[in-house]
Amino acid sequence: GAGVSQSPRYKVAKRGQDVALRCDPISGHVSLFWYQQALGQGPEFLTYFQNEAQLDKSGLPSDRFFAERPEGSVSTLKIQRTQQEDSAVYLCASSASMGAEAFFGQGTRLTVV
Amino acid sequence: QKEVEQNSGPLSVPEGAIASLNCTYSDRGSQSFFWYRQYSGKSPELIMSIYSNGDKEDGRFTAQLNKASQYVSLLIRDSQPSDSATYLCAVNLQAGTALIFGKGTTLSVSS
Repeated sequence: GAGVSQSPRYKVAKRGQDVALRCDPISGHVSLFWYQQALGQGPEFLTYFQNEAQLDKSGLPSDRFFAERPEGSVSTLKIQRTQQEDSAVYLCASSASMGAEAFFGQGTRLTVV
Repeated sequence: QKEVEQNSGPLSVPEGAIASLNCTYSDRGSQSFFWYRQYSGKSPELIMSIYSNGDKEDGRFTAQLNKASQYVSLLIRDSQPSDSATYLCAVNLQAGTALIFGKGTTLSVSS
């Protein structure tokens, strides 16, 4: 596609529910990043992939967070047993190669009630 | 020490003035440097990238990089009210690592 696509745009989850957020990167982009952005803050790094390999997951806040990119294209960020503190905008970005310019999707706004 | 630091602002400038935004980073091995603009409720939009010491100009925007002092700056000439946004500095701290962002500086341009 022409740009990075994320779905859903908005998600309301009840506390304790599992959610899955999808990211479809720019075609051919090998690097894919996930970020969490709270109101008034910069994007906080969660994890990143080079093709299907998850090279860094040091930013995942707990073992309830899991990300995958099994075929080196679409990626899914899964949050199990959601908590209120998980409420944030989740941003996905992709780049053609490591260190190259990264482009963001529209984000998914997650609200846990 | 946070890896990428920015003053949160707000930075207020009158229309037509030069806005100067600054960013410092912790790792001397950093390779790639970017400025993003983020409007309220929108996702970050890439406006400048810079990879080597010196200045890089693109229209009204100039990015400046000084690796010895570990800072990168963004100058916006002839500031317009439409430039009012949060400006995010992002750095690849070392080759092969993820892109790390500062908290952003809020710019307000008054007409």
